[in-house]
Amino acid sequence: QLQLQESGPGLVEPSETLSLTCTVSGGSISSSDYYWDWIRQPPGKGLEWIATIHYTGTTYYNPSLQSRITISVDTSKNQFSLKLNSVTAADTAVYYCARQVSGGWLFDYWGQGTLVTVSS
Amino acid sequence: EIVMTQSPATLSVSPGERATLSCRASQSVSSTLAWYQQKPGQAPRLLIYAASTRATGIPARFSGSGSGTEFSLTISSLQSEDFAVYHCQQYNSWPPDFGQGTKLEIK
Repeated sequence: QLQLQESGPGLVEPSETLSLTCTVSGGSISSSDYYWDWIRQPPGKGLEWIATIHYTGTTYYNPSLQSRITISVDTSKNQFSLKLNSVTAADTAVYYCARQVSGGWLFDYWGQGTLVTVSS
Repeated sequence: EIVMTQSPATLSVSPGERATLSCRASQSVSSTLAWYQQKPGQAPRLLIYAASTRATGIPARFSGSGSGTEFSLTISSLQSEDFAVYHCQQYNSWPPDFGQGTKLEIK
């Protein structure tokens, strides 16, 4: 059974960089059939797609966040990561990692999510 | 960007009754519409894709319909475990867009 697990600091200071890692188990991140994504959910709000990466290094970014985000993959560790810089309180959210099916923007497996609070 | 609008924001229904949730897209997304269920403290779970196809392991009481800009999710006889938040998502075009969610609560 595929599992995804997010990890990273739960508290980040304003203007600093948010860094999260997703560890994939029960399957290979190097499968050509899947892409890997970050999605977030601010408190009381809807889901927002952030970024996508394929193990080959192909990336897609949400245009509204593109200037501040970097997504990367480490196939040797079966992990992918997100960096979001210059954070503000508006970046406070539960961050999920997810698997995308065949590059079709459909998400079939999700991690449990991790709450990141931006505050001093 | 395609704006996805879900209604109502909250729906109160008694167990055993039918619930119908709506999702509207600001432009046509054909049938590339998915529904996710999210319980408190849990990740979203894929319920329906291609507007009407149930994902693996999803009970038959969940059904989806619609195409173009108007979609609905129907739960035929609500069980206690069905009370949750439901999100719709279009995947017809990039970037993928989600609705704000409908909270299905016990009446």
